[in-house]
Amino acid sequence: DAMVIQNPRYQVTQFGKPVTLSCSQTLNHNVMYWYQQKSSQAPKLLFHYYDKDFNNEADTPDNFQSRRPNTSFCFLDIRSPGLGDAAMYLCATSRVAQPQHFGDGTRLSIL
Amino acid sequence: RKEVEQDPGPFNVPEGATVAFNCTYSNSASQSFFWYRQDCRKEPKLLMSVYSSGNEDGRFTAQLNRASQYISLLIRDSKLSDSATYLCVVNKGSSAGGTSYGKLTFGQGTILTVHP
Repeated sequence: DAMVIQNPRYQVTQFGKPVTLSCSQTLNHNVMYWYQQKSSQAPKLLFHYYDKDFNNEADTPDNFQSRRPNTSFCFLDIRSPGLGDAAMYLCATSRVAQPQHFGDGTRLSIL
Repeated sequence: RKEVEQDPGPFNVPEGATVAFNCTYSNSASQSFFWYRQDCRKEPKLLMSVYSSGNEDGRFTAQLNRASQYISLLIRDSKLSDSATYLCVVNKGSSAGGTSYGKLTFGQGTILTVHP
């Protein structure tokens, strides 16, 4: 029944080693989002896609990139993870101006 | 000033209590409003949308005051299972090709603990 699926649930990587998180959806929503959430903080929007149009938040570091090869899939690439990038990464989808549906999240740890 | 501000909390209430959360937002052009709940180490889940006329879903009542830029959530007859973080969420709205869609701004969240 899962409609927004994130893989993996837990990811451990080394300092500076590139990592890719994935998100897929069965809802056919045209908007997909990536959020970063650190402990005891609100989710922070990194970027989103409206169909194929990519929209980066002004304060998202260049270290974070995203790809959306088709409607169903969206990837978050962290080129050189630092210790400060350890967080929960949440993918969400929505139709235009509708509430967002979140995946279970990927918890990223940096060694 | 934060775009979305919530009661600092945490709230610790006994089962059966009524508890109210407040939230203010700074962008008067905000278009839609939601309450999400987030359990520990889980993803946010939509609790309810908030409509201008106010709306109720079982034990939960949400109110919106656009003039004051204020949103509230009332929980009646609290259950142990209501323990969670409650996030006030505002859709600022953005445009792409003339179509508005949602960019959510989350409040810090208010922790609720319901005890026996």
